[in-house]
Amino acid sequence: EVQLVESGGGLVQPGGSLRLSCAASGFKFSSYNVTWVRQAPGKGLEWISYIRGRSGTIFYADSVKGRFTISRDNAKNSLYLEMNSLRDEDTAVYYCARGGTEEFGDLPYWGQGTLVTVSS
Amino acid sequence: DIQMTQSPSSLSASVGDRVTVTCRASQSIRTYLNWYQQKPGKAPKLLIYGASSLQSGVPSRFSGSGSGTDFSLTISSLQPEDFATYYCQQSYSVPFTFGQGTKLESK
Repeated sequence: EVQLVESGGGLVQPGGSLRLSCAASGFKFSSYNVTWVRQAPGKGLEWISYIRGRSGTIFYADSVKGRFTISRDNAKNSLYLEMNSLRDEDTAVYYCARGGTEEFGDLPYWGQGTLVTVSS
Repeated sequence: DIQMTQSPSSLSASVGDRVTVTCRASQSIRTYLNWYQQKPGKAPKLLIYGASSLQSGVPSRFSGSGSGTDFSLTISSLQPEDFATYYCQQSYSVPFTFGQGTKLESK
């Protein structure tokens, strides 16, 4: 069974840093693209970052580029999101998600999410 | 970035109704369009990928259509468990943007 479990969320002050983790199991982690998506309270979904399985190619949304860093450790079956210079507007539930078909970039598997609150 | 616009933003319907949600892309995305369902406090669930392919395990009352810039998600006969928020997402070019969501409520 495919499982994704996020951790590392919490309360952080504006300007602070936080590192999220996503532990994967039930599939060959290194073969799949993985994505971070966030959802601010009461708002819609926002795609923020993506790392390809085979090539390790990385993409970011403009809203986090230069502040967030995505990485993966295939030996540990884990995905990470290093978040720096956090702002109030980064407050959200952060989900990791695994890709499905290589062609369509769909996300059939999601974790339960971890809440990040940026507040003084 | 490609902008995704869903309509309506909210919709009231009754069990048994046929419901359609539309999604428009700001430029052609061919068939790189996915649909998700989200219930409060839960992660999104993939319903449709590639504009019209039904994800494994999703009931056949859900269907998707469209290509280019205009897409639709149809629920043929609404069931009580279908009241939720629906999102489209383009996966044609990064950033893989989502629509703003359509909240489907009980009439």
